[in-house]
Amino acid sequence: QSALTQPASVSGSPGQSITISCTGTSSDVGGYNYVSWYQQHPGKAPKLMIYDVSNRPSGVSNRFSGSKSGNTASLTISGLQAEDEADYYCSSYTSSSTPYVFGTGTKVTVL
Amino acid sequence: QITLKESGPTLVKPTQTLTLTCTFSGFSLSTSGVGVGWIRQPPGKALEWLALIYWDDDKRYSPSLKSRLTITKDTSKNQVVLTMTNMDPVDTATYYCAHRRYYDSSGYPFDPWGQGTLVTVSS
Repeated sequence: QSALTQPASVSGSPGQSITISCTGTSSDVGGYNYVSWYQQHPGKAPKLMIYDVSNRPSGVSNRFSGSKSGNTASLTISGLQAEDEADYYCSSYTSSSTPYVFGTGTKVTVL
Repeated sequence: QITLKESGPTLVKPTQTLTLTCTFSGFSLSTSGVGVGWIRQPPGKALEWLALIYWDDDKRYSPSLKSRLTITKDTSKNQVVLTMTNMDPVDTATYYCAHRRYYDSSGYPFDPWGQGTLVTVSS
């Protein structure tokens, strides 16, 4: 059970769009439409932003969207705002015996 | 409103056993579909899933830590307890418990999370 691979950092200017990738295998990301994304501000607990690849929980801005192609899932943040500066983690279902694996995390910087 | 809060020691010595308690409200662990998980995060590092307990007392563990972990629940007290044996300095981390979202999801993400508790392993 290896961690999903994310870029260490992504940056963008206010108003721009950025995309964070999350690469796994056919045993996790590619095998199920069960990818989630979490936002974590410094010193805070993670917050669910996207689940089941592209669903947004109530209260999450529609500037956040998710997608998946093959073994790679993506989180796109459009209209980047200063408050979006945080760490982002993907997660995927892997199997009934070990249901969760997280990504390596991506630090988003708003320039 | 679902809330969770972790409690336990902030400092443990190497080789000791860590016991953490997650006290929650807003749901019952006797309701079909409900689950509570534990996730940890070493300082400056990524999240790592540890364990999960289901409403029917089924349990799942991270393969790499399975021999050291035990997860239990006390439905009457709305608590989930995680024990980790043979603690080592590399186990220094913030430990989170979280609710398994089941009512509108097939992938069952964690939502919401507790605030986390920092556990330091040092002699």
